[in-house]
Amino acid sequence: DIQLTQSPSFLSASVGDRVTITCRASQGISSYLAWYQQKPGKAPKLLIYAASTLQSGVPSRFSGSGSGTEFTLTISSLQPEDFATYYCQQLNSYRAFGPGTKVDIK
Amino acid sequence: QVQLQESGPGLVKPSQTLSLTCTVSGGSISSGGYYWSWIRQHPGKGLEWIGYIYYSGSTYYNPSLKSRVTISVDTSKNQFSLKLSSVTAADTAVYYCARESFLVYSSGWTAYGMDVWGQGTTVTVSS
Repeated sequence: DIQLTQSPSFLSASVGDRVTITCRASQGISSYLAWYQQKPGKAPKLLIYAASTLQSGVPSRFSGSGSGTEFTLTISSLQPEDFATYYCQQLNSYRAFGPGTKVDIK
Repeated sequence: QVQLQESGPGLVKPSQTLSLTCTVSGGSISSGGYYWSWIRQHPGKGLEWIGYIYYSGSTYYNPSLKSRVTISVDTSKNQFSLKLSSVTAADTAVYYCARESFLVYSSGWTAYGMDVWGQGTTVTVSS
């Protein structure tokens, strides 16, 4: 089974910072990767699919890149509402999620 | 606007079967191009995909849960359901249902991710 890892697992940042989260797959998954944002007590929200396509309604400060085994989620200028936990998910076979990256306020 | 709503008992006894239903509103579960998934989240932990079903009845389960999981669909009621047998305290979690969109074309397919989620329902396993 394909395993996903994320780094860092925890990130402390300030409003306006550029933030990058990395997701690595144990095997190549082409571009079958999605990114989600989850806030406490809420269901996850789809941000990006196909590794780099922004879901409708998601602010353009979010972007994704990568293919194969290494992917990144970038927030170009962190906003107060972006403090949350971010998960990657592979969509090539077994729908594994990464362990998550919590973005906290510095 | 498609919406999903989970329902079912919030408390299940150990060794019994957990049963949840997800009701789809604002769209038809029989529309092609969607997998209907169950995902859970243990308290304070990450997301765990349980499995999905297509409206035709085809299923795909998480290998680590496969022996205990059954996902079924009732197109007449626009619902899909989860059964998890022989539960223990380790199955205590928030359970979400979600819709995953995809498109198949002549040279491949595109996965659009899980774009619609239910609000989640908490299930506690305890005697």
